Amino acid sequence: KAGVTQTPRYLIKTRGQQVTLSCSPISGHRSVSWYQQTPGQGLQFLFEYFSETQRNKGNFPGRFSGRQFSNSRSEMNVSTLELGDSALYLCASSSYRDSETQYFGPGTRLLVL
Amino acid sequence: GQSLEQPSEVTAVEGAIVQINCTYQTSGFYGLSWYQQHDGGAPTFLSYNGLDGLEETGRFSSFLSRSDSYGYLLLQELQMKDSASYFCAVKEGGKLQFGAGTQVVVTP
Repeated sequence: KAGVTQTPRYLIKTRGQQVTLSCSPISGHRSVSWYQQTPGQGLQFLFEYFSETQRNKGNFPGRFSGRQFSNSRSEMNVSTLELGDSALYLCASSSYRDSETQYFGPGTRLLVL
Repeated sequence: GQSLEQPSEVTAVEGAIVQINCTYQTSGFYGLSWYQQHDGGAPTFLSYNGLDGLEETGRFSSFLSRSDSYGYLLLQELQMKDSASYFCAVKEGGKLQFGAGTQVVVTP
């Protein structure tokens, strides 16, 4: 099976802009989670989607949003970008039968200038 | 809320054994997971302990004691390729929360 894919891999934006990141989970996986990784804060949970519904949400401002499509692909959007949003954004998928194992994509490295 | 504590860095020589401890405080506990992340790479799943005891997967083992809110990851026969960051993680309220990570440095 193909692994989790994320696009784009690298992105440079300026403050105030918005960005949309995409994630395609492993075939058959219906749960998709998003994480932000920074040197200072580490790996932080953003949100989880399952069958097109947001199931859990982390402690991030409303500028961070996401959605999941019927084919389980997911997107996350960050509006009004701030310098502090510069990070590696990781997407992970898991199956219903093995929900404890998260399979991570390579991530999107976002730089906000 | 929850918190996980693990050492920030461990250095060992090739062939040695390294133990990475993880203590946690969480209001609801379902199990302890471990992930490995190489520089510039994505985290990869190593192990999950839902019950007390030892889980062995090749050179890596993971242990959990729920009564002590404590677990560890044991890396045996260290190889240079094991140089990476290792994260413990717990799921609370459906959200997977990670520790700050332990950087393992393997020297020749």
